[in-house]
Amino acid sequence: AQSVTQLGSHVSVSEGALVLLRCNYSSSVPPYLFWYVQYPNQGLQLLLKYTSAATLVKGINGFEAEFKKSETSFHLTKPSAHMSDAAEYFCAVRRDGNEKLTFGTGTRLTIIP
Amino acid sequence: EAGVTQFPSHSVIEKGQTVTLRCDPISGHDNLYWYRRVMGKEIKFLLHFVKESKQDESGMPNNRFLAERTGGTYSTLKVQPAELEDSGVYFCASSSSSNQPQHFGDGTRLSIL
Repeated sequence: AQSVTQLGSHVSVSEGALVLLRCNYSSSVPPYLFWYVQYPNQGLQLLLKYTSAATLVKGINGFEAEFKKSETSFHLTKPSAHMSDAAEYFCAVRRDGNEKLTFGTGTRLTIIP
Repeated sequence: EAGVTQFPSHSVIEKGQTVTLRCDPISGHDNLYWYRRVMGKEIKFLLHFVKESKQDESGMPNNRFLAERTGGTYSTLKVQPAELEDSGVYFCASSSSSNQPQHFGDGTRLSIL
């Protein structure tokens, strides 16, 4: 069974600093990969998705993620953190032919003024 | 375009009672999914409808949970009788086809006392 590991349940960065949220997947073949964000009192919102078209994926709000097959990673980055980025971020994977998403445990991002 | 709508947003009931959660997917979306996040754990898949048919119900915890999607529009998830371990946030998602991203609702926070 495939799984997703998010390193760090809590990450704090200063406003303006680089945001790096880590995600590793276990899969024998490259799956479909997603990053979702949950702002306080809201549902999950899709940030970006990897579907094998390009290894560097750009998403909304200045976020991007790079698929690295050799490292089985799909880390999420943003060059400069903004206060509005404070939220919980989820990495998810879906295997071709199977609809269900498998989520990581989530990383809560705190932005320090 | 209206997003995925879930009702109620919060529900507090006593152990042994029955609760029904409702999900209205995005109009025209044939695929509807239920997920659950128990406190401190990852978001887990419960089941997947294609129109009114259950495509995958491998994540349903036990027979106290009953999901329906009569007519292929909105869906309900009934828990009867509710147990303490059923507490958590129940998310619904929908997608227009299998290779399109899943759009999530704001979730229903269920508390069993």
